[in-house]
Amino acid sequence: GNSVTQMEGPVTLSEEAFLTINCTYTATGYPSLFWYVQYPGEGLQLLLKATKADDKGSNKGFEATYRKETTSFHLEKGSVQVSDSAVYFCALSDRGANNLFFGTGTRLTVIP
Amino acid sequence: GAGVSQTPSNKVTEKGKYVELRCDPISGHTALYWYRQSLGQGPEFLIYFQGTGAADDSGLPNDRFFAVRPEGSVSTLKIQRTERGDSAVYLCASSLGVATGEQYFGPGTRLTVT
Repeated sequence: GNSVTQMEGPVTLSEEAFLTINCTYTATGYPSLFWYVQYPGEGLQLLLKATKADDKGSNKGFEATYRKETTSFHLEKGSVQVSDSAVYFCALSDRGANNLFFGTGTRLTVIP
Repeated sequence: GAGVSQTPSNKVTEKGKYVELRCDPISGHTALYWYRQSLGQGPEFLIYFQGTGAADDSGLPNDRFFAVRPEGSVSTLKIQRTERGDSAVYLCASSLGVATGEQYFGPGTRLTVT
């Protein structure tokens, strides 16, 4: 079946620190992979995506590379800001499926 | 343009009562999804509509849950004989087409069953 396992939080970093949030997946086919972000008081927003192996998704300084050999899609950012404080969800959509499978979410707090 | 809207934003009901949750998707989006998010968890898929029809309702937990989208736009999630375990945030999302994965989420309805 399909499932996503992501690093448990919460994660607290100082401003300008390097961020990694780990995500691994299990899928029956060849999924598309996503990172969604939920800022305080707001709905889920797509942050970035990758649709095939070795693709790199990027947005707002965040990056994640689709690694088929390790079934991973780790989220990274070189220098976090206070405004990056949010809950981050890794998700997959299996080819031909109509829904997203989400991880449990990782809460990131960036302190000045 | 306007995003996905959901009403009400909060709903408190007594165990055993009936509730309806409404979702208004982005104009022109043919696909509509309902998810349920329990505290500390990621969203879990409930049902997917393509146009007016429920193309996949495999995530509905039992027959107390039902959803409609009669005109292919607004959708209503209906829960009968609510139980305390139904307490969660119910999320609606829409997208342009089938299985693109780029779903746009509403702010959710927080349902509390007392």
